[in-house]
Amino acid sequence: GIQVEQSPPDLILQEGANSTLRCNFSDSVNNLQWFHQNPWGQLINLFYIPSGTKQNGRLSATTVATERYSLLYISSSQTTDSGVYFCAVGVTGNQFYFGTGTSLTVIP
Amino acid sequence: EAEVAQSPRYKITEKSQAVAFWCDPISGHATLYWYRQILGQGPELLVQFQDESVVDDSQLPKDRFSAERLKGVDSTLKIQPAELGDSAMYLCASSFDVLAGSYEQYFGPGTRLTVT
Repeated sequence: GIQVEQSPPDLILQEGANSTLRCNFSDSVNNLQWFHQNPWGQLINLFYIPSGTKQNGRLSATTVATERYSLLYISSSQTTDSGVYFCAVGVTGNQFYFGTGTSLTVIP
Repeated sequence: EAEVAQSPRYKITEKSQAVAFWCDPISGHATLYWYRQILGQGPELLVQFQDESVVDDSQLPKDRFSAERLKGVDSTLKIQPAELGDSAMYLCASSFDVLAGSYEQYFGPGTRLTVT
């Protein structure tokens, strides 16, 4: 099956700093989503972005499907951004494989 | 805003007992997923339904796990008998809004299972 690698595995930031999270995948994909998992385990949708660029407030994402990677940008980080960020990709229309995640800690 | 519902939120059971989880997807979503997430790892797909049909259960331990979605709406995942290694978060998700033509996946709050 498709391999999904996320980097870095762990990230510690001072509040207000910016960060870039990366997702590499081993095959062409038709689906790609970014999620934030909060401390209670809930997976929250950030972006559905199989290609192109999207922005939502302090967060933005870019997927370059031809080069098999996606980036999640977090600007002016806040303590509430802490948690684990997952990238999930799929080859067929409604199939998703998850990466191992990036654990983000934002320090006040 | 429509949400995926799951129950119970927490379950503690003794090994060798039976346990069941319930999921109600977002209305209109044709695809329903059950994932298992072990602490420190990403979610792993157990079973995927398209309407009432199973389209992928290759990672489902069929000797003890079963899943059904009888009317193509809500779904039940069962474990019998439970083992210590089954302790994990069980997540349900749904996707494929036929009317909107969207494959975006939405997750429920999960059921945290502890087997003692």
